[in-house]
Amino acid sequence: AQSVTQLGSHVSVSEGALVLLRCNYSSSVPPYLFWYVQYPNQGLQLLLKYTTGATLVKGINGFEAEFKKSETSFHLTKPSAHMSDAAEYFCAVSDRAFFGNEKLTFGTGTRLTIIP
Amino acid sequence: KAGVTQTPRYLIKTRGQQVTLSCSPISGHRSVSWYQQTPGQGLQFLFEYFSETQRNKGNFPGRFSGRQFSNSRSEMNVSTLELGDSALYLCASSLSSGNPYNEQFFGPGTRLTVL
Repeated sequence: AQSVTQLGSHVSVSEGALVLLRCNYSSSVPPYLFWYVQYPNQGLQLLLKYTTGATLVKGINGFEAEFKKSETSFHLTKPSAHMSDAAEYFCAVSDRAFFGNEKLTFGTGTRLTIIP
Repeated sequence: KAGVTQTPRYLIKTRGQQVTLSCSPISGHRSVSWYQQTPGQGLQFLFEYFSETQRNKGNFPGRFSGRQFSNSRSEMNVSTLELGDSALYLCASSLSSGNPYNEQFFGPGTRLTVL
């Protein structure tokens, strides 16, 4: 079964500092990995997704993630935090081993706080 | 293109009642998935519908059910509500065209409170 682990349920960074949110996955097949963001009282918005062949994935709002197979990791980073980045971030894995399996398995989430 | 819409946005029910939530996917999307989000359990997959058929199901009791109509709109129903059913229920749609990198687009959710 697919699973993801997010280290750190709460992360605080100063405005302008580097953001690093950690995600490790467990998968017996090539993983299909995603990062979603959730703002208060809203649904989930896709930040980026991993596609085979690209180890560094660029997403929206200046976020990017690096896929490291040797470390089974897909950490999310942003060089300079902005106040508007305050939200909850979810790493997710999809088992697409067979067509039609749309189920996403989410990590427990990381709440990002930006310190002015 | 309009996004995923969910109605109602907020619901308050009492224990023992039943509730129906509605989801309209993005035009052209044939797959609709439902997730429950709670502070204790996080985001959990309920079920997924494609072409009016349930294609995948999570580990929830039979009180949770759903259906999909020919226009891809979906409803989920929870019968005999329990306090623990209080949650944000999220609907997501996708093309499900066979491309494994198709993303799911989420609606704003329905906040259900059971008293």
